[in-house]
Amino acid sequence: EIVLTQSPATLSLSPGDRATLSCRASQSVSTFLSWYQQRPGQAPRLLIYDVSHRAPGIPARFSGSGSGTDFTLTITSLEPEDFAVYYCQQRANWPPFTFGPGTKVDLE
Amino acid sequence: QVRLQESGPGLVRPSRTLSLTCTVSGGSISPYYWSWIRQTPGKGLQWLGYISDTGTTKYNPALTSRVTISVDTANNQFSLQLRSVTAADTAIYYCARDVFPHSEGWFDPWGQGILVTVSS
Repeated sequence: EIVLTQSPATLSLSPGDRATLSCRASQSVSTFLSWYQQRPGQAPRLLIYDVSHRAPGIPARFSGSGSGTDFTLTITSLEPEDFAVYYCQQRANWPPFTFGPGTKVDLE
Repeated sequence: QVRLQESGPGLVRPSRTLSLTCTVSGGSISPYYWSWIRQTPGKGLQWLGYISDTGTTKYNPALTSRVTISVDTANNQFSLQLRSVTAADTAIYYCARDVFPHSEGWFDPWGQGILVTVSS
């Protein structure tokens, strides 16, 4: 099973700041890596798939990069609704599909 | 716009079977894959398994002996059965669809989730 780790666990920022979140895989996942956002009390929603492709309806301030074992989600200018928990997920080697433990972006 | 809604009991006794149903509205079961995913504070998000519109299933190897997923295309529903539950199965259970037809492993949309507590 591929294990995903995320850092930092918490990122304290202000609206308008740039957020950089990291995800590392225990073995190569090639480009089969996605990112989800989960707001309090809501289900996760897909932001990015295949490392860098935005899901339908996702704003351009969200972008992804990386390959192999190291990946980054960047939010160029945080909006108030972006303060949430972000998860990475892989589909390179399954079953099972696996998720990272999450990074919480909260207000500084 | 497709919507998913989980339903079922919020409390299950230990050693019993947890049974949940996901009702799909605003779209068809075909030609997608449909998953169950659960979330706990301790283990985070865990994919349990999926079923296709034609009934093909794949399960998480950690749970395969206890999980069954079935589909009812006539009623636009799919279901989860998890047998021999313990307190460790207490979680929010989500149903989710793959974002693209015929694709496997990118999940969107999700249902709102249902909290299931295992307790006597």
